[in-house]
Amino acid sequence: DIQMTQSPSFLSASVGDRVTLSCKASQNINKYLAWYQQKLGEAPKLLIYNANSLQTGIPSRFSGSGSGTDFTLTISSLQPEDVATYFCLQHNSWPLTFGSGTKLEIK
Amino acid sequence: QVNLQESGPGIVKPSQPLSVTCSVTGYSITTSYYYWNWIRKFSGNKLEWMGYISYDSSIYYNPSLKSRISITRDTSKNQFFLQLNTVTTEDTAVYYCARNAYRDYFDYWGQGVMVTGSS
Repeated sequence: DIQMTQSPSFLSASVGDRVTLSCKASQNINKYLAWYQQKLGEAPKLLIYNANSLQTGIPSRFSGSGSGTDFTLTISSLQPEDVATYFCLQHNSWPLTFGSGTKLEIK
Repeated sequence: QVNLQESGPGIVKPSQPLSVTCSVTGYSITTSYYYWNWIRKFSGNKLEWMGYISYDSSIYYNPSLKSRISITRDTSKNQFFLQLNTVTTEDTAVYYCARNAYRDYFDYWGQGVMVTGSS
């Protein structure tokens, strides 16, 4: 199975900060990576698919980059409503596997 | 709007089977070319994809669960089901259903249902 490693596991930042989250795959997954946001008690929400494509309706402060094994989710200006856990998904190979998440809080 | 809603027993005794239902509204589970998945989240945020049943009823399971899992559907009710046999406390998790295209990202998820393996 492909292992997905996210870092950091916890991040505290101030409103307006530029925030960068990392997701690394144990082998090449091409561009087949998605990012999700999950708030407490809610369903996960798709933010980014195919590494850098913004899902419809998601604010433009969210962006994704990377290919192969190294991927990044960037929030250009952190907002209070961005408090959530963020996780990545690889869909290059079976079984589909997830990262363990980054919990993002406001300082 | 596609909506998925899980329902389940809450608590399952060890060695008993776990059964969870996903009710889908706003989209037929027989419409090409979508796949209907089960995913679970353990405490500590670890997520595991469990398996799918497709629009044409093909099935694929995570090899780690292959001997214990069964996914079925009732097209008349637009529902699909997860059964996990011989439950232990390690199966305690939030169980989600989600939709995707073949080997693609999940675009719609349910809110999840907590199931605890406990005597």
